[in-house]
Amino acid sequence: GESVGLHLPTLSVQEGDNSIINCAYSNSASDYFIWYKQESGKGPQFIIDIRSNMDKRQGQRVTVLLNKTVKHLSLQIAATQPGDSAVYFCAENTGNQFYFGTGTSLTVIP
Amino acid sequence: GAVVSQHPSRVICKSGTSVKIECRSLDFQATTMFWYRQFPKQSLMLMATSNEGSKATYEQGVEKDKFLINHASLTLSTLTVTSAHPEDSSFYICSARDPSTQNTEAFFGQGTRLTVV
Repeated sequence: GESVGLHLPTLSVQEGDNSIINCAYSNSASDYFIWYKQESGKGPQFIIDIRSNMDKRQGQRVTVLLNKTVKHLSLQIAATQPGDSAVYFCAENTGNQFYFGTGTSLTVIP
Repeated sequence: GAVVSQHPSRVICKSGTSVKIECRSLDFQATTMFWYRQFPKQSLMLMATSNEGSKATYEQGVEKDKFLINHASLTLSTLTVTSAHPEDSSFYICSARDPSTQNTEAFFGQGTRLTVV
């Protein structure tokens, strides 16, 4: 499989602050990326996606940034809430398959 | 969004027995489904791509005779863990894409927690 990694395995933020989760990918030919949120004992839940022809995409309270030059992806969560506590994965689409990064465990401190 | 359902959500089996996990796409037809395995505090590792009406494509290092995949219809793929051993205990997750839409995100099932004793 492809190598998709994350810089920070754990992240703790105060409620109301902004969170930034980073991801590095290795396949420059990948053309589609997704951020997933996974709560304990559950399957991954789609958060936001971005295609390689874009640099930035915004959703509700979340923004994904893509830097193809350095093969880096980030997820920004605005006004982080306790319900945002989970593990976040970036996934890289290669061909028809998705390969997942290591994951970052986000803990929101009330 | 599209719904993917897995069954069972939890299963405990004795060492040496086989366990079947079902993955269903509830509101769309999936010609391709994917099976992942996840150990505690680790990422999802793609095991195989399940193709409707043909053989599954396994990732390097995954034993195809150990993890049997059958995709007999456009809404159902099954993963059978044969002659299970304690080291097979893991969280197994399936996913599928809806080819009828322009969205290319993968929808995931709830996962199956397998414990081999």
